[in-house]
Amino acid sequence: NAGVTQTPKFQVLKTGQSMTLQCAQDMNHNSMYWYRQDPGMGLRLIYYSASEGTTDKGEVPNGYNVSRLNKREFSLRLESAAPSQTSVYFCASSERWGGDTTGELFFGEGSRLTVL
Amino acid sequence: ELKVEQNPLFLSMQEGKNYTIYCNYSTTSDRLYWYRQDPGKSLESLFVLLSNGAVKQEGRLMASLDTKARLSTLHITAAVHDLSATYFCAVRVHNAGNMLTFGGGTRLMVKP
Repeated sequence: NAGVTQTPKFQVLKTGQSMTLQCAQDMNHNSMYWYRQDPGMGLRLIYYSASEGTTDKGEVPNGYNVSRLNKREFSLRLESAAPSQTSVYFCASSERWGGDTTGELFFGEGSRLTVL
Repeated sequence: ELKVEQNPLFLSMQEGKNYTIYCNYSTTSDRLYWYRQDPGKSLESLFVLLSNGAVKQEGRLMASLDTKARLSTLHITAAVHDLSATYFCAVRVHNAGNMLTFGGGTRLMVKP
């Protein structure tokens, strides 16, 4: 059982280049998330998708776009990368919020992005 | 705006000692989570605390939640080197859907 799978694991970009981070989960979860992690700042939510067909902005959405391709896949796109977007990006998934569900997030291994 | 603060940010301790990590948050919440992260790795779920007074224990780690004080603690008993990692708390805001807000993390180093 793979859980949450992210690709690529490492990427180096030049300022202004574009790229897409891919994320897939095999736990039949409804909700998916993209976080970024910077030293000393914990994790900050970029975008999330509560269910297939919906996406919402998180705390730091500027410079990013997302696509919930289907229930399994949630991609994050940087249209014009900037050095400030150098970070480690984590995809996560959870059961849909509500009822008896815990809302616990399950994380992928992370994608380390450097923008020069 | 929800703020989640952890302290200390860094903790160096000897094996066999006890210590507590604190997680304070600024608004009403109905779920609190603790995660562990090893260097260069993903985040692993440790505890989910669902109500006021909830206490959960796993091995040398025990987490508790006081929703009235907006405080959660992660207590380490008789620390061992394998507990060295960064620990994060995360809070779900009441009636704010699926969004979790994370604290800045506590880096724990346990020395032999």
